Amino acid sequence: RKEVEQDPGPFNVPEGATVAFNCTYSNSASQSFFWYRQDCRKEPKLLMSVYSSGNEDGRFTAQLNRASQYISLLIRDSKLSDSATYLCVVKDQAGTALIFGKGTTLSVSS
Amino acid sequence: EAQVTQNPRYLITVTGKKLTVTCSQNMNHEYMSWYRQDPGLGLRQIYYSMNVEVTDKGDVPEGYKVSRKEKRNFPLILESPSPNQTSLYFCASKGQGNSPLHFGNGTRLTVT
Repeated sequence: RKEVEQDPGPFNVPEGATVAFNCTYSNSASQSFFWYRQDCRKEPKLLMSVYSSGNEDGRFTAQLNRASQYISLLIRDSKLSDSATYLCVVKDQAGTALIFGKGTTLSVSS
Repeated sequence: EAQVTQNPRYLITVTGKKLTVTCSQNMNHEYMSWYRQDPGLGLRQIYYSMNVEVTDKGDVPEGYKVSRKEKRNFPLILESPSPNQTSLYFCASKGQGNSPLHFGNGTRLTVT
């Protein structure tokens, strides 16, 4: 069964903290991976793609571990504005099917 | 501006009254999809379309219909809405290959 699993949280952290989310996927043939951010039941928006070698965008770092079938998102120096739900998305090799995790909720407080 | 536009944003209706939620994209994307999002269940795919006149069922297609007569539009039709279809609905489109999904603003539907 195709699955993408995330810890739902919530993760409650103070401003300035470093926080990491993991996401596991069951289909070893999955080929593309993304992190999306969703605010207050608004539409999900792409945060970053996840590349095999890992990639960084400012305070955000994404990693892929194919052997263990998980991806991670690291947020450094958390800001209040980082409070949101973070969705892990995996593309099935079979076609264009994109499988969403249920999301991890982050709450950053001052 | 590249975007996916859904209408309406909010809709309250009664059981059995047919409704259509429209979705339009201006990015010339071939792939379009509808999702519903419910607390604790995440995003679940209803239907998707790989191209004009090509539609396929997603994970939760029961009670829904779609059509893809032209590339830019992908309406979601509820022929006889029921209260269990009360949800937040998102339309999305994507380009070819590993490009990401672009979502519309969402439609919050309440069926009483």
